[in-house]
Amino acid sequence: KQEVTQIPAALSVPEGENLVLNCSFTDSAIYNLQWFRQDPGKGLTSLLLIQSSQREQTSGRLNASLDKSSGRSTLYIAASQPGDSATYLCAATAYNDYKLSFGAGTTVTVRA
Amino acid sequence: DAGVIQSPRHEVTEMGQEVTLRCKPISGHDYLFWYRQTMMRGLELLIYFNNNVPIDDSGMPEDRFSAKMPNASFSTLKIQPSEPRDSAVYFCASSLVYNEQFFGPGTRLTVL
Repeated sequence: KQEVTQIPAALSVPEGENLVLNCSFTDSAIYNLQWFRQDPGKGLTSLLLIQSSQREQTSGRLNASLDKSSGRSTLYIAASQPGDSATYLCAATAYNDYKLSFGAGTTVTVRA
Repeated sequence: DAGVIQSPRHEVTEMGQEVTLRCKPISGHDYLFWYRQTMMRGLELLIYFNNNVPIDDSGMPEDRFSAKMPNASFSTLKIQPSEPRDSAVYFCASSLVYNEQFFGPGTRLTVL
């Protein structure tokens, strides 16, 4: 059974600092890995999807890397802003079915 | 596109009552997922459909839960009878095969 872990559970940084969010997974046989953002009381917003054949994916200030051999993915957010404050979740899609296994998330606070 | 639509957004009911949650996926998506989110257990996949057919319902907690997808544009999740421990946020998501999952805003269910 795929286990997805996100450490730390919470992170507080001053505005302008780069954010580094970590995600680890136990089973490297994944089809893709997806990063989401969740604001309090809201649904999940898809940020980036990395296919298993890719090493990284970029969108604006966001960059996500994937290292299947070590079972890790990292989400980088450049020049953080207070509007980046949210919970960020990663989820891995198993290769043999289509189930997403979610981490518990990292709650980010960007201080103005 | 309006995205994934869920109704109601909030539901408060008494123990023993039947609850029906509704979902309209993004047009053209062939996969539909139902998730439950709680503080204790995080995000859990309950059931998913492909082309209106249930593929995996192993996450459905017990026989009180049932889900249907009568056509490509509508799905329901029913709880009968409801119990206080069913209180959670229920999300519906849809996707094209092996692509990003897009989540609805969720239904916050409170069972008194």
